[in-house]
Amino acid sequence: DAGVIQSPRHEVTEMGQEVTLRCKPISGHNSLFWYRQTMMRGLELLIYFNNNVPIDDSGMPEDRFSAKMPNASFSTLKIQPSEPRDSAVYFCASSFDATGETQYFGPGTRLLVL
Amino acid sequence: QKEVEQNSGPLSVPEGAIASLNCTYSDRVSQSFFWYRQYSGKSPELIMSIYSNGDKEDGRFTAQLNKASQYVSLLIRDSQPSDSATYLCAVNTGNQFYFGTGTSLTVIP
Repeated sequence: DAGVIQSPRHEVTEMGQEVTLRCKPISGHNSLFWYRQTMMRGLELLIYFNNNVPIDDSGMPEDRFSAKMPNASFSTLKIQPSEPRDSAVYFCASSFDATGETQYFGPGTRLLVL
Repeated sequence: QKEVEQNSGPLSVPEGAIASLNCTYSDRVSQSFFWYRQYSGKSPELIMSIYSNGDKEDGRFTAQLNKASQYVSLLIRDSQPSDSATYLCAVNTGNQFYFGTGTSLTVIP
């Protein structure tokens, strides 16, 4: 199994640009999670899906952030417009069960907004 | 108050010693508790989960949970240099997952 796949692995963009992060969960996993990690705030859950349906998006910082999961094998996290304070590592994780008890993390996308 | 609190460290222990990592949480209805290990520049990986009060052992790792004190700990016996990493405590309240900011552990050969 290839594990959770994320792309791009690194992204450098300018303030105001749109950023799209992509994630392919492990095949057969029903839950997908998007996290953001910074030194100051640690690892924060942004949103999670179960069976492609968003369950809890209370961690999404503001309207500039949106996430979709059009099918069981693909999800996107979009930031529009991006700001320097969005610079962080964004992780996607997937889990077989609805409770997300055992989450497998992807390698992350390192985002730098100039 | 943060949902999950950890001492950021760094914690340094000599090789072969016991490393003790601590975590407190604020939500009393929290149901399940996890320890993740994260090597520098890598993603977190689950190493232990615990759901009921007491100790749970897995190899050199022991997780301890005290719900009355809202306290979770991780003991690493016979610490190895390869254990050097950041250890993240995570809590599932049933509605949300919260991670601590992690404790950096260095095992000195």
